[in-house]
Amino acid sequence: DAKTTQPTSMDCAEGRAANLPCNHSTISGNEYVYWYRQIHSQGPQYIIHGLKNNETNEMASLIITEDRKSSTLILPHATLRDTAVYYCIVRPGREYGNKLVFGAGTILRVKS
Amino acid sequence: NAGVTQTPKFRVLKTGQSMTLLCAQDMNHEYMYWYRQDPGMGLRLIHYSVGEGTTAKGEVPDGYNVSRLKKQNFLLGLESAAPSQTSVYFCASRFGGQVAGELFFGEGSRLTVL
Repeated sequence: DAKTTQPTSMDCAEGRAANLPCNHSTISGNEYVYWYRQIHSQGPQYIIHGLKNNETNEMASLIITEDRKSSTLILPHATLRDTAVYYCIVRPGREYGNKLVFGAGTILRVKS
Repeated sequence: NAGVTQTPKFRVLKTGQSMTLLCAQDMNHEYMYWYRQDPGMGLRLIHYSVGEGTTAKGEVPDGYNVSRLKKQNFLLGLESAAPSQTSVYFCASRFGGQVAGELFFGEGSRLTVL
């Protein structure tokens, strides 16, 4: 699986957009980008995933660069409840066994 | 629909004791996983299963065994617990037929080995 690089931590003001970057310069053509978050030692929660195109759901937007070497997760209006560790993961879509390897992630602190 | 349920949620063991963590999912998922998370770190994959009767090693399998006798259950065993196995253990599952699908996680089992 391609490795990912994320900043260790970020701060965001409540109500503002939170933009979390992820670098995955060794990504392969069949690898998807996934984002999960973990709130205060709970089980990780799926946010969004994408292959090439930008994606949006009720939680967030995922912007993938044209060369696919980096992506940005956008929380449009961050709230205090969005304070969590955010994990960017890259892996093939059709890998037998489908291991999902988590790195250290980005600690996002949303402040009032 | 309970999702992914882990039992027990908390356990304290003495070095050398054995125990089994149970993960149960009611979503008819093919794939199941066991991760461990140490303080301030990300999750590390211990073992996983792609279907009933199958298991495979992850990143950190030593000291653990697993079994998937029923599709809905994935058991993680510690035969002789060591203090280094003090951690929070997370189970996860997902559909096997999807090209790219989300993992559903349990709430975690906190294990302390003295």
